[in-house]
Amino acid sequence: AQKITQTQPGMFVQEKEAVTLDCTYDTSDPSYGLFWYKQPSSGEMIFLIYQGSYDQQNATEGRYSLNFQKARKSANLVISASQLGDSAMYFCAMRELGNTGFQKLVFGTGTRLLVSP
Amino acid sequence: DAGVIQSPRHEVTEMGQEVTLRCKPISGHDYLFWYRQTMMRGLELLIYFNNNVPIDDSGMPEDRFSAKMPNASFSTLKIQPSEPRDSAVYFCASSPRTGGLTEAFFGQGTRLTVV
Repeated sequence: AQKITQTQPGMFVQEKEAVTLDCTYDTSDPSYGLFWYKQPSSGEMIFLIYQGSYDQQNATEGRYSLNFQKARKSANLVISASQLGDSAMYFCAMRELGNTGFQKLVFGTGTRLLVSP
Repeated sequence: DAGVIQSPRHEVTEMGQEVTLRCKPISGHDYLFWYRQTMMRGLELLIYFNNNVPIDDSGMPEDRFSAKMPNASFSTLKIQPSEPRDSAVYFCASSPRTGGLTEAFFGQGTRLTVV
């Protein structure tokens, strides 16, 4: 079963506008972490932001914020004031603590964001 | 720290040849992950290690793939024999084992082309 679902294969936004990239997840584990990574055309994977399942407040990192709705199992990434350099693939990922004590990290299929001038 | 180091960055090989991809994780990190990225299948987790021990290899596509971690500073992913459908970007990532669920740090990837 798909653990991480990103339903938007592509998104378009104009420079300086805000954009929301959707992510839903599936887990029965009470302890988990949610991550967003950016992959520009150069190919490297860049960590953006993290949200823990027990965190009371939504995570923020500069222009990135995570809209965490635990009951709905969603962890959407909000990018404010988009810049041309934000054009990239964005991946949502999850780590579960599990009862084995080991933590795998699994990714969604990604959303390609294109920022236009 | 130099980050996660993968080699080679690019590899072109002929079908049937053995291919070995290498990874040096960040010093002190307990977890090491191998991923394969393709357009069709996205970013797939192939195998991961904790303290040099393979924990879950259920993502390894078939017996042609094998991975080892002989020590804390080195891991290999081997494909023998290689096939054109193995063409992909292979990423290695490492993360520390802290009390929380931390992010993984990725290498630059190895772009493998099998002709």
